[in-house]
Amino acid sequence: GQQVMQIPQYQHVQEGEDFTTYCNSSTTLSNIQWYKQRPGGHPVFLIQLVKSGEVKKQKRLTFQFGEAKKNSSLHITATQTTDVGTYFCAGSGKYGNKLVFGAGTILRVKS
Amino acid sequence: DAGVIQSPRHEVTEMGQEVTLRCKPISGHDYLFWYRQTMMRGLELLIYFNNNVPIDDSGMPEDRFSAKMPNASFSTLKIQPSEPRDSAVYFCASRLVGGNEKLFFGSGTQLSVL
Repeated sequence: GQQVMQIPQYQHVQEGEDFTTYCNSSTTLSNIQWYKQRPGGHPVFLIQLVKSGEVKKQKRLTFQFGEAKKNSSLHITATQTTDVGTYFCAGSGKYGNKLVFGAGTILRVKS
Repeated sequence: DAGVIQSPRHEVTEMGQEVTLRCKPISGHDYLFWYRQTMMRGLELLIYFNNNVPIDDSGMPEDRFSAKMPNASFSTLKIQPSEPRDSAVYFCASRLVGGNEKLFFGSGTQLSVL
């Protein structure tokens, strides 16, 4: 079945440093979504990427979808303490409505 | 809109007892998903419904788990009998068919089976 791998599992950065998390799928995806979960909270949708090679930006966050639509990344520039949480990628296959989540990357920011 | 509403927020029960988790999706959403989150296994999709009909229940761990959606505004996830390994956070999520397929998650139910 479809699997979505995400690395790193955990990252601890100094405030102001950059952060990147990577997502890889075992199969070609129709789209990929990114979610953020604050400690004790629930996943909250950030963005969806659909097109091969697509790049989207939200303020300090940059999202990319690979040319083969099998990988994606989220990059945060100049992290802030408000960025703390777990970032999940989630992908769905060609025919499915099932969204398969990666294991998530836990981000901690030292001020 | 109040968002996806789940109840209870916390449930503590003893092994062997029946547990029922409840979810009210966002009005007008026609897909409903049940996820389970643990440290070891992450976010696992258990089952999802489209227009109140179960579409894929391949993620349901075993026969002890069952889910229903009697109408568009209510769904339940039942565990009978419960076991300690069922302890997890259970999330319900809903979405609307359309160009943007984002999921709206409820606040989750923290289940502890002693």
